[in-house]
Amino acid sequence: QLQLQESGPGLVKPSETLSLTCTVSGGSISSSNYYWGWIRQPPGKGLEWLGSIYYSGNTFYKPSLKSRVTISVDTSKNQFSLKLSSVTAADTAVYYCARDARGIVVMTTPYYYFDYWGQGTLVTVSS
Amino acid sequence: DIQMTQSPSSLSASVGDRVTITCRASHNINNYLNWYQQKPGKAPKLLIYAASSLHTGVPSRFSGSGSGTDFTLTISSLQPEDFATYYCQQSYSNLWTFGQGTKLEIK
Repeated sequence: QLQLQESGPGLVKPSETLSLTCTVSGGSISSSNYYWGWIRQPPGKGLEWLGSIYYSGNTFYKPSLKSRVTISVDTSKNQFSLKLSSVTAADTAVYYCARDARGIVVMTTPYYYFDYWGQGTLVTVSS
Repeated sequence: DIQMTQSPSSLSASVGDRVTITCRASHNINNYLNWYQQKPGKAPKLLIYAASSLHTGVPSRFSGSGSGTDFTLTISSLQPEDFATYYCQQSYSNLWTFGQGTKLEIK
């Protein structure tokens, strides 16, 4: 059974860089047709996709955050990471990592979704 | 970005009720539409993919329909464990986006 686990500091100071890592177990991060994504959820609010990465390093980022977000992958450790720079209180959220299935279409059915999620980690931006 | 708009934002219903949640995309997304259920303090769970395909292990009381810009999630007979927040999500463009969520509460 595939499992994802987020790790990283729970408290980050304003203007600093938020760094999180997602460790994948029970499967390979180098599997074809799977990207790996980051999604966040501010307290009491909805879900926001931040970006996704393929094991080759190809990335997609949310346009409004593209200047601050970097997602990287380490296939040797079966991990991928998120860096968000110049954080403010508005970046306080639960951050989830998830498997981003894209690339498979059978007949007219696209298998494009987030199917496995980490439990999430709360990151608070505060001095 | 493709914008996703859900309605209603919240909904009160009783066990046994039939409930429908709608999701509208700002552009044609064909059938690249997914639905997730989220309970407090938990990660979202995939319910429906490709607008109408039930994910593995999801009860058959959940169903989805639609294509293009307008989609619906229907729960045919609400069970106590269905009270949660539901999100639609488009996967048509490379830049995926979620709806704002619909909170389903017990009446």
